[in-house]
This record gives sequence, C-alpha cells and structure tokens, in this order.
Amino acid sequence: DGGITQSPKYLFRKEGQNVTLSCEQNLNHDAMYWYRQDPGQGLRLIYYSQIVNDFQKGDIAEGYSVSREKKESFPLTVTSAQKNPTAFYLCASSHGTANTEAFFGQGTRLTVV
Amino acid sequence: AQKVTQAQTEISVVEKEDVTLDCVYETRDTTYYLFWYKQPPSGELVFLIRRNSFDEQNEISGRYSWNFQKSTSSFNFTITASQVVDSAVYFCALSESFMNNNAGNMLTFGGGTRLMVKP
Repeated sequence: DGGITQSPKYLFRKEGQNVTLSCEQNLNHDAMYWYRQDPGQGLRLIYYSQIVNDFQKGDIAEGYSVSREKKESFPLTVTSAQKNPTAFYLCASSHGTANTEAFFGQGTRLTVV
Repeated sequence: AQKVTQAQTEISVVEKEDVTLDCVYETRDTTYYLFWYKQPPSGELVFLIRRNSFDEQNEISGRYSWNFQKSTSSFNFTITASQVVDSAVYFCALSESFMNNNAGNMLTFGGGTRLMVKP
C-alpha cells in the first residue's frame, strides 16, 4: 500500500545524545516535510525538501538536521543542541505545489530521559 | 506573514448534536489554499478537505460541511449529528500560492480544536 512510514513509533533518548527519526514514502512525492507537535499545540515546520539533495529550514530548525539523498527518504536528526526535544514528530509528503494536500505518517513520539 | 487561528481549544458535545469548529486566517496573498485535517488518537493527520481562495462555494460531504467566507477570512467546519468516532483533534491549515511560496504547500497550522463526542 502507498503511504508514509515513520519509525520508530516511540523513542527514548538520554540527554546529550543525537537521535535519528526515519521517514520513508512510496507515493512518488517530490516534497517532504518534518513538523513538530507539542501537547495542545499546532504543528510547526522544522525542515522541508522540494527535491533530492536540497532542503530548507522551516520555522524551528535550530538543533535539528536532515538529509535528502533519495526521493523516498527524509530522515531527521535531533541533535544534542536541541534544548527541548521531547515532542511528537510528524513527517509529511506532497506533490510539492500549494494546491495539493500533504499526506502524513503516524508520527514518532520522542522522550528525553 | 500568514496565520491561522482556531479559538476553540476544546469542545465537548453529546452524540447527535451538531458542532461547528471555527477557523480564521490571515494572509497577504490573493491566491491561497485552506485545508482541514483530522488527528485521531493514533496521531496521524487525515486530510479532510482543500478549498481554493477563488472558490467560495460551500461544500458538503456526508455529515461534514464547510463554510468559506473571504469577507471574514473564515473557513468553518460543521459536523452534523456528531458521533463518538468524530472525537479527535481538528486542524485548519493555510498554504499560499507557489508563486509566493516556492516551498510547495508549506502549511501554516492553527492550534487545533479537540472535539470530544460523548455517547
């Protein structure tokens, strides 16, 4: 089935460690996005990518890094520089134009312990 | 800068009641797109509807209906005869045209409205 797969669903990290969240899509979408969701709040954009080997910072990119080596994959690394990383992370993809809807994965809940 | 406001953070209704979720947006663009998404407890956002700024016709899909009014910059969502399965967080989102935003549909989300439908 076509869709977006995020893994793992739950992730625990010790303070000071980097951790990478996986996002894979088989929808043949050009654009991919990472959003962060905090309890009771909306989604905020971390990074986005329109094409392979290119990506741009969103509103809250500090402490995060991404790569886009393949069209299907857009992993997000939460670095030790991110001061408050505990949150729910959602990956999305779309055809890349403003008039098309984005499709979302099921999310990864990251907890720093 | 664009902004989406969902003033209702939480709504509780009894099954079979009608409920309207409010969404007010701000944008300087003349061409833009509005979306509604549903987030059930599983966490994944489910697309419900897209509306273009130049199409102000209201839309109905089963128990769901949407009222788009450019004059008040609102895009409200009504669920008729609510059911327990409608319980979720609902997000309104805005995307400006690709001419002004070469990031495709980089969405700006409202804070969401948590809807609880009690049996």
